[in-house]
Amino acid sequence: AQKITQTQPGMFVQEKEAVTLDCTYDTSDPSYGLFWYKQPSSGEMIFLIYQGSYDQQNATEGRYSLNFQKARKSANLVISASQLGDSAMYFCAMRPYTGGFKTIFGAGTRLFVKA
Amino acid sequence: ETGVTQTPRHLVMGMTNKKSLKCEQHLGHNAMYWYKQSAKKPLELMFVYNFKEQTENNSVPSRFSPECPNSSHLFLHLHTLQPEDSALYLCASSQATGSSNTEAFFGQGTRLTVV
Repeated sequence: AQKITQTQPGMFVQEKEAVTLDCTYDTSDPSYGLFWYKQPSSGEMIFLIYQGSYDQQNATEGRYSLNFQKARKSANLVISASQLGDSAMYFCAMRPYTGGFKTIFGAGTRLFVKA
Repeated sequence: ETGVTQTPRHLVMGMTNKKSLKCEQHLGHNAMYWYKQSAKKPLELMFVYNFKEQTENNSVPSRFSPECPNSSHLFLHLHTLQPEDSALYLCASSQATGSSNTEAFFGQGTRLTVV
């Protein structure tokens, strides 16, 4: 079965510190893509970062990096130097290669950045 | 102007009403999606259209009826809804490929309340 698990319903981080949001996944597909999205209170889902299952290096996009551990089936998001504007819901998602257009989302983690 | 625009942003409707949600994308994509986001549940894929053809229907009740007149527009027609259908409905678009590395771009959603 294809599944995404985010075990942290809520996280607090001090402004300017780094934070790691956990994500584990389950799939039997040998090829898949992993995504992180941010959803502020406005509702829009904002694409943050992508990691392919065959990528040798961890993906990075500005302050976002993805700690990809394929053997453990984990794809944790690391946000460095947190900002107040980072407060939002964060969703981990997976698209198996054989899934066509079907992207599976986790339940999300709500991040609170404290001043 | 955002890449994916949804209207209305908020909608309150009675169980006997008929209403439609609209989605428009300006990104040149050929795949469009409807997702349902309920409180405390992962994002649920409802429908997928690829080049105006429906390629995915995730066992959605017939009281939800999608329409895709062209690659830029997607509608969700609603009739005789139930209170449990109250949720945030998100539209998304992506390049028309079934590969696993294609991120989706989301609209801000329509917050639907069924009374």
